[in-house]
Amino acid sequence: EADIYQTPRYLVIGTGKKITLECSQTMGHDKMYWYQQDPGMELHLIHYSYGVNSTEKGDLSSESTVSRIRTEHFPLTLESARPSHTSQYLCASSELDTSSYNEQFFGPGTRLTVL
Amino acid sequence: AQTVTQSQPEMSVQEAETVTLSCTYDTSENNYYLFWYKQPPSRQMILVIRQEAYKQQNATENRFSVNFQKAAKSFSLKISDSQLGDTAMYFCAFSKAAGNKLTFGGGTRVLVKP
Repeated sequence: EADIYQTPRYLVIGTGKKITLECSQTMGHDKMYWYQQDPGMELHLIHYSYGVNSTEKGDLSSESTVSRIRTEHFPLTLESARPSHTSQYLCASSELDTSSYNEQFFGPGTRLTVL
Repeated sequence: AQTVTQSQPEMSVQEAETVTLSCTYDTSENNYYLFWYKQPPSRQMILVIRQEAYKQQNATENRFSVNFQKAAKSFSLKISDSQLGDTAMYFCAFSKAAGNKLTFGGGTRVLVKP
């Protein structure tokens, strides 16, 4: 079944650790996105990609980095986690065709807590 | 830059009743897409309904319908015959026709009471 996956679902780590949040989709979508969402608050786009080897920064500045080596995989990395990085991170994907509805499909999210 | 505003942080409704969520947006684009996304307590965001700006007819999906007023830049969501499973955060979102980036509103928390 075509879907979008995120691992881990929950992560509690100490300050200074390097972490990678995984996102994979089996829908064959070219476009992928990372959003940051604080509890009870709106989503902010932090990174997006239009295809392999394409990455762009989003509307909200973030210390995280992303890579897109394979179409289906869009990991997000924090080199040195801090308590200010505590948040919910949502991954999404959509088709490349700009004539479509631009519907984005979302993963279940990773809730990150940095102590 | 586009902005999306949801003025109701939280709303409650009795089961089987109707609730309307408001959304206004600001853009200089003439063609664009508008969406309502639902985020249940389990956190996975799903699309509820979408509207293309060049279509005057309001979109409808089962118990969900929108009132799209392009001149007023308003895009409200009506949930009819509310069910307990409708309890969730609802986000209004905007996307330019030429791209897929979504701009979200702040969300409205809907609580359906038995």
